[in-house]
Amino acid sequence: GQNIDQPTEMTATEGAIVQINCTYQTSGFNGLFWYQQHAGEAPTFLSYNVLDGLEEKGRFSSFLSRSKGYSYLLLKELQMKDSASYLCASLDSNYQLIWGAGTKLIIKP
Amino acid sequence: GAVVSQHPSWVICKSGTSVKIECRSLDFQATTMFWYRQFPKQSLMLMATSNEGSKATYEQGVEKDKFLINHASLTLSTLTVTSAHPEDSSFYICSATEGEVSPLHFGNGTRLTVT
Repeated sequence: GQNIDQPTEMTATEGAIVQINCTYQTSGFNGLFWYQQHAGEAPTFLSYNVLDGLEEKGRFSSFLSRSKGYSYLLLKELQMKDSASYLCASLDSNYQLIWGAGTKLIIKP
Repeated sequence: GAVVSQHPSWVICKSGTSVKIECRSLDFQATTMFWYRQFPKQSLMLMATSNEGSKATYEQGVEKDKFLINHASLTLSTLTVTSAHPEDSSFYICSATEGEVSPLHFGNGTRLTVT
């Protein structure tokens, strides 16, 4: 079956760095997305990886290893506004998005 | 960047009435739009995939006669919740994409409360 695993909740300190991991098992693979969702709001797009390696976008970076079925989202210089849920989603061979349950990130001062 | 507009943002209706939610892609053509539902503290649940000019594809367990989807143009899809009941109260979110491997862009969501 298809499955996305990511931690349910993580806590980090303002100004620090946090890495949110995601492992996936899908029927075929056409890329891995990360989305940010604040409570009560719709998700917003953060990143898309289809090739192995690290993609950097400002304070946020996303990494993919296709051979390991593994991705992570790295957040640097954490700010209080980064408190949100982070959703990992894999695009399968039918171009359907398979969603993880999301990781709730709590930032403490 | 790509913008998806969803309207209304919130709606309160009485049990038994119907509610229509609109989803528009403002600066791109979306051949495919998706409708999701999200209950508090739970993940997104895909309800249906809406293709322009054809019938929507519903996920297992989603009643197609209750959740009517119309994708009349490349920029507009609507979801109508018919004969709404309190258990239909939820956060409904639409999304659209420019292509199969393009990111999904989400509307701001509609919070439906059925009294």
